[in-house]
Amino acid sequence: RKEVEQDPGPFNVPEGATVAFNCTYSNSASQSFFWYRQDCRKEPKLLMSVYSSGNEDGRFTAQLNRASQYISLLIRDSKLSDSATYLCVVNGMDSSYKLIFGSGTRLLVRP
Amino acid sequence: NAGVTQTPKFQVLKTGQSMTLQCAQDMNHEYMSWYRQDPGMGLRLIHYSVGAGITDQGEVPNGYNVSRSTTEDFPLRLLSAAPSQTSVYFCASSNPGVNYGYTFGSGTRLTVV
Repeated sequence: RKEVEQDPGPFNVPEGATVAFNCTYSNSASQSFFWYRQDCRKEPKLLMSVYSSGNEDGRFTAQLNRASQYISLLIRDSKLSDSATYLCVVNGMDSSYKLIFGSGTRLLVRP
Repeated sequence: NAGVTQTPKFQVLKTGQSMTLQCAQDMNHEYMSWYRQDPGMGLRLIHYSVGAGITDQGEVPNGYNVSRSTTEDFPLRLLSAAPSQTSVYFCASSNPGVNYGYTFGSGTRLTVV
């Protein structure tokens, strides 16, 4: 089983749609959770950290369910510029600084 | 503020050649890491460092060496390039703490022929 698993997609949605991505992780002791965004042929960029109580940043909402070892990202009112690959990231089994990346979920927002 | 700077951006090597990928950060981050990204496999950790003079192996360290003589620099050395090392290499840095994510450099696209 992979340490971090994501649905690869692609998710193809119209502008203005709400879309949700899910991610599961295997290490129950993980403490650090993030969502990154990666555009084609570019470096990953931190979208948001994920906190235990859930957190929101504009149109983006992240949730963490420790009992189910599950992280989600909700994007409301999708924009064309949201088209990218979204990476779920969790710290590794033995440290907070060894981040383990999921393979990513691709989002395509169409006009 | 340059962030994380990687050089070169592109490189073609012949099998058996060696080279060093450079990485420098100007944010005074303690943690630095090297990842490689291959199609369909996501990013995999090669080596990491939690401070000057301290390095350790990640998930896929074979064929690579690192050193961390200063806080700013974290070069990655390919000892004897192989076609399997064709990949995109990303260097990243971070402050310590569970809520600090990594800042990535723009990557080095390496082809080994």
